[in-house]
Amino acid sequence: DAKTTQPTSMDCAEGRAANLPCNHSTISGNEYVYWYRQIHSQGPQYIIHGLKNNETNEMASLIITEDRKSSTLILPHATLRDTAVYYCIVRATGGANSKLTFGKGITLSVRP
Amino acid sequence: GAVVSQHPSRVICKSGTSVKIECRSLDFQATTMFWYRQFPKKSLMLMATSNEGSKATYEQGVEKDKFLINHASLTLSTLTVTSAHPEDSSFYICSARGTALGERGTDTQYFGPGTRLTVL
Repeated sequence: DAKTTQPTSMDCAEGRAANLPCNHSTISGNEYVYWYRQIHSQGPQYIIHGLKNNETNEMASLIITEDRKSSTLILPHATLRDTAVYYCIVRATGGANSKLTFGKGITLSVRP
Repeated sequence: GAVVSQHPSRVICKSGTSVKIECRSLDFQATTMFWYRQFPKKSLMLMATSNEGSKATYEQGVEKDKFLINHASLTLSTLTVTSAHPEDSSFYICSARGTALGERGTDTQYFGPGTRLTVL
């Protein structure tokens, strides 16, 4: 069972920031928050991950609340190519069989 | 990020035949590989996890004799769908994770582009 909950869908205007929320209230201390996205008919693409500190890379920023029970993925300037299903996943580190379990994700639609 | 390739990207076969899908990690050594299946408008479902040189661990409900997984090297895993039937038609996606990638102390899992299998 997925340990995260996300809204089903959201949209934003091209050029604006897209803020995608995720709840993971039962996250354990050794679990990271990962974000992936899947554009139609392609394999998932890694975006970013974090443990407790906020993280930023060339694709996005990840804001994790202090109690680690929720997080927000921020795409600072959304483009039409960012339209995809975004998955928020918690995953423990360590162990050869530590694995990613996908939920339903949130469908982001970027409108012109 | 690291690159994972899959071959073929799509395959059409007749019912009863076997199909092999290859998954390669191109620029890192994948100590662990994963195989997922995705039906239309559904999320990815993990089928099995394989560690290099070991037998794969299958998720509950996945038939190991039908979905043969081989992970003989650190850069190659194969999934063979044996005696395929129309209900096996799906999007199969592999994923690889390697300890050499070192993403700030964790080992990130990267995905291939997927293989669309259609069984007639």
